[in-house]
Amino acid sequence: AQSVTQLGSHVSVSEGALVLLRCNYSSSVPPYLFWYVQYPNQGLQLLLKYTSAATLVKGINGFEAEFKKSETSFHLTKPSAHMSDAAEYFCAVTLSGYSSASKIIFGSGTRLSIRP
Amino acid sequence: DGGITQSPKYLFRKEGQNVTLSCEQNLNHDAMYWYRQDPGQGLRLIYYSQIVNDFQKGDIAEGYSVSREKKESFPLTVTSAQKNPTAFYLCASSTLSGVNTDTQYFGPGTRLTVL
Repeated sequence: AQSVTQLGSHVSVSEGALVLLRCNYSSSVPPYLFWYVQYPNQGLQLLLKYTSAATLVKGINGFEAEFKKSETSFHLTKPSAHMSDAAEYFCAVTLSGYSSASKIIFGSGTRLSIRP
Repeated sequence: DGGITQSPKYLFRKEGQNVTLSCEQNLNHDAMYWYRQDPGQGLRLIYYSQIVNDFQKGDIAEGYSVSREKKESFPLTVTSAQKNPTAFYLCASSTLSGVNTDTQYFGPGTRLTVL
């Protein structure tokens, strides 16, 4: 069965500092992995996704994530945090090539706060 | 612009009343989904539909009902049988063909509060 674990329900960093949000997955087959961002009282917006091409995936707003099979991880990073990055971030996993997206599993989310 | 719309943005309901949340998409997506979001619990799947006039229960379908009479529309009814309906409800859609079958696109959400 698939699962995804986000380490840390709340992460706080200073403006300009490195952002690191952790995600570990469990899947018996090659997974597709996603990071979504949610601003207060809004829907989820896709940041980036890994679909078995390059292991380093670049997304919007300067974020990137690296797929590490040996560590079953897909951590999200950004070199320099901006105040506008404050939001909730969700990691998600689904089976590769699965035509019905009903099998997407979401993590419990990590709230990112940015200190001035 | 193509996208997913949900209405209303905020909804208040008295206990014992049914209420229907609207979800419309003009992305020509085949599949549509309803999720419930509670603080600290991520998203939980309520119902999903891959084709008109067909839908399947997700993980927490009890107390909810849906219909899919048109490809563009997937309304969710929160019935009086749902014991704790206060939550943020998100609708999503995805295509089932092409290169982005794995990606779900989300609407802005409806916050339901039971008084």
